[in-house]
Amino acid sequence: DAGVTQSPTHLIKTRGQQVTLRCSPKSGHDTVSWYQQALGQGPQFIFQYYEEEERQRGNFPDRFSGHQFPNYSSELNVNALLLGDSALYLCASSDQAAGGSYEQYFGPGTRLTVT
Amino acid sequence: DAKTTQPPSMDCAEGRAANLPCNHSTISGNEYVYWYRQIHSQGPQYIIHGLKNNETNEMASLIITEDRKSSTLILPHATLRDTAVYYCIVINQGAQKLVFGQGTRLTINP
Repeated sequence: DAGVTQSPTHLIKTRGQQVTLRCSPKSGHDTVSWYQQALGQGPQFIFQYYEEEERQRGNFPDRFSGHQFPNYSSELNVNALLLGDSALYLCASSDQAAGGSYEQYFGPGTRLTVT
Repeated sequence: DAKTTQPPSMDCAEGRAANLPCNHSTISGNEYVYWYRQIHSQGPQYIIHGLKNNETNEMASLIITEDRKSSTLILPHATLRDTAVYYCIVINQGAQKLVFGQGTRLTINP
């Protein structure tokens, strides 16, 4: 049973560019959440997708957007990259039917470096 | 969601029990206590959760005080692979997100 997978593993971009990160949830999971983790900090919630809709959003600007596909996989898009966007981006999946989004399974993350 | 307070770091000898405390004095009646850990260069991993009663699974035990204002995560026989940052999170029923604090950096020493 594959767990949560993310691609790419590492990415280097230049300020002002755009980036797309991808996530495949654990088999049987229908909800995907995205988190940003700066160096030395705990993960910060970006947003959550369920039934292809953004269900809740954290305190992140509109430059951060996402999408969920019918197969429950998800993408995180960041436009007009800033140096401060350099971080580990984590995807987490969960099963709504199992009682909520509390028990989330995390992927290994995508390390984004903006130069 | 209620705020949690954890010590920034702790040490424990390999083979001994590691007891990680968490204060959540403003917890409300329908909020759960969840514990996650993050081993270096990996995503966070769910450990255990509870509402009122003590809980035990194959990874750890969770002891919640009667007034629910604090809890302790117990790793009964710590190994070097338990070295990680441990996060205590209080979640309101129906919440869609995990709110991570700074956590406790636990180091298991040989």
